[in-house]
Amino acid sequence: AQSVTQLDSHVSVSEGTPVLLRCNYSSSYSPSLFWYVQHPNKGLQLLLKYTSAATLVKGINGFEAEFKKSETSFHLTKPSAHMSDAAEYFCVVSTSYGKLTFGQGTILTVHP
Amino acid sequence: DTAVSQTPKYLVTQMGNDKSIKCEQNLGHDTMYWYKQDSKKFLKIMFSYNNKELIINETVPNRFSPKSPDKAHLNLHINSLELGDSAVYFCASRPTSGGNTGELFFGEGSRLTVL
Repeated sequence: AQSVTQLDSHVSVSEGTPVLLRCNYSSSYSPSLFWYVQHPNKGLQLLLKYTSAATLVKGINGFEAEFKKSETSFHLTKPSAHMSDAAEYFCVVSTSYGKLTFGQGTILTVHP
Repeated sequence: DTAVSQTPKYLVTQMGNDKSIKCEQNLGHDTMYWYKQDSKKFLKIMFSYNNKELIINETVPNRFSPKSPDKAHLNLHINSLELGDSAVYFCASRPTSGGNTGELFFGEGSRLTVL
């Protein structure tokens, strides 16, 4: 069985300050892990993915995430938040046959 | 060009009605999905088809029936709609060759409201 826990349902930051969205996972397999972003009334867009290559993964829009097996974590970070980053973010784990399990989502609010 | 397109985008209907949501992808992918996003934004897989064959069928009421006429289309038909069916339904696709590392491409969602 696999599961994903996003530790914060809401994160609020000021523009220009760092962003940290936390994700812990459990999986019976060597997992593939993803972060998706959903802007209001839009579909989900892939930010980045970890697929057993480099543990530090860089994605679009300046986001990156680090896979830490010992901590079963895959936290999403960005050095400097932008107003356009305000959205909901989903951490996702994939099984070997492609079934994705989504976390509960973290709403990121960015204040001017 | 929209890669994964769903219609309709909004659907308001009465309890007991039957409705369909259509999905088409022009990415040449082999695998398509339906996900349900509830009011708490929790996304849960409902069905997955690979080359028109059902490969994932989660615990979904049999009022929900997916149909895949070809690998570019996956439609969702819902009979006898209930209040609890109100949600946003997302279609997604993925190339099978991606294995478990492949990115999912999502449509923009179809918001179903049952009154």
